[in-house]
Amino acid sequence: AQSVAQPEDQVNVAEGNPLTVKCTYSVSGNPYLFWYVQYPNRGLQFLLKYITGDNLVKGSYGFEAEFNKSQTSFHLKKPSALVSDSALYFCAVIAGSGGYQKVTFGTGTKLQVIP
Amino acid sequence: EAGVAQSPRYKIIEKRQSVAFWCNPISGHATLYWYQQILGQGPKLLIQFQNNGVVDDSQLPKDRFSAERLKGVDSTLKIQPAKLEDSAVYLCASSLDSRRANYGYTFGSGTRLTVV
Repeated sequence: AQSVAQPEDQVNVAEGNPLTVKCTYSVSGNPYLFWYVQYPNRGLQFLLKYITGDNLVKGSYGFEAEFNKSQTSFHLKKPSALVSDSALYFCAVIAGSGGYQKVTFGTGTKLQVIP
Repeated sequence: EAGVAQSPRYKIIEKRQSVAFWCNPISGHATLYWYQQILGQGPKLLIQFQNNGVVDDSQLPKDRFSAERLKGVDSTLKIQPAKLEDSAVYLCASSLDSRRANYGYTFGSGTRLTVV
């Protein structure tokens, strides 16, 4: 069975500092990895994805993520945090060999950027 | 392109009542998903449709939840009777084709259900 772990319920970072939101996964086969952001009372918005190729993926709003196969991780990063980045972040993995792909979400990490 | 439309945005009902949610996916998207997101948790897949057929409903509490996508376009999710623990946000998402994972998903804004 596939799974996603987001070990931190909340991450606090000062505005202007770099931020990292952690995600590790467990799948059989090749993973497709996604990050979504959720603002209060809103649906999930796509940030970025890793399908294949370069391990460093760049996405929306200046976010990037690094795929590390040996550590089975896909941490979300941003060089300089903004107060407006404060939101709930979800990591998701899609896997499955042939047929219909199955998606599993992590439990989410609340990012708080402090002015 | 228009996004995934959901209605209503909010619903408050008493336990044992019934409720229905509606979702209209992005035009041309073959795959439609219903997720339940309980406060403080990640979204949990309830049911996945490919066109008008069910691909995965393994986590759908079938004694009280039902969903349909009769014409392969919009979909309704029903709860009858509702329980207190059904209080959650119900998210609808769609993708071009779930057999191709790299397409990703587009989510609607969700329906927040409160059961009192």
